[in-house]
Amino acid sequence: QLVLTQSTSVSASLGASVRLTCTLSSGHINNAIAWHQQQPQKGPRYLMKLNSDGSYIKGDGIPDRFSGSSSGPERYLTISSLQSEDEADYYCQTWGTGIVVFGGGTKLTVL
Amino acid sequence: EVQLVQSGGGLVKPGGSLRLSCVGSGFIFTNAWMSWVRQAPGKGLEWVGRIKSRSDGGTTDYAAPVKGRFTISRDDSKTTLYLQMNSLKTEDTADYYCVTIVSGRGGWGQGIPVTVSS
Repeated sequence: QLVLTQSTSVSASLGASVRLTCTLSSGHINNAIAWHQQQPQKGPRYLMKLNSDGSYIKGDGIPDRFSGSSSGPERYLTISSLQSEDEADYYCQTWGTGIVVFGGGTKLTVL
Repeated sequence: EVQLVQSGGGLVKPGGSLRLSCVGSGFIFTNAWMSWVRQAPGKGLEWVGRIKSRSDGGTTDYAAPVKGRFTISRDDSKTTLYLQMNSLKTEDTADYYCVTIVSGRGGWGQGIPVTVSS
């Protein structure tokens, strides 16, 4: 079964860096994923598509502070130089045969 | 820039029907696999279904909770995606979004609220 697992919440300080993790279920460790950001009271925003080899393509206008990387079944989103507007829910998403799956989302709090 | 503009939605009674539309621009719509995603109040993102590009067969897939009640279609000549929702239930109440990722470029519609209530 295709499942994406994310931590429920993470906090980090203004100006610091944070790495969010999305873990693919066994049998799907080579899947590409996408990262999406949802700021409070707003719709989701596409951040990037991240491949199993760690290469990624970012969406239009996504700042350089956002980057992706991969290791085995884990897919990471790193945000450097945290700003207040980075406080949001972050969702990973992947594709399977006949299905699209979202992780439960990670709530990032910027202290 | 990928742009998706949605319309439709609103308040409907249980058992009723509604159709959502999503107009795409800034990308090659005919090549895009398009999805609908919903978000119930206070909840996470839930995939509803998708339609492949015509060149990939134009077939559709649906999440179990909506299969047999919802239908996704597309009109490539109008770069428009549709979601026909029938036999609506109270648990279908959510914000509905269209979304696509094409060759690494992606975007979301602005979202449309659908409320199913008597």
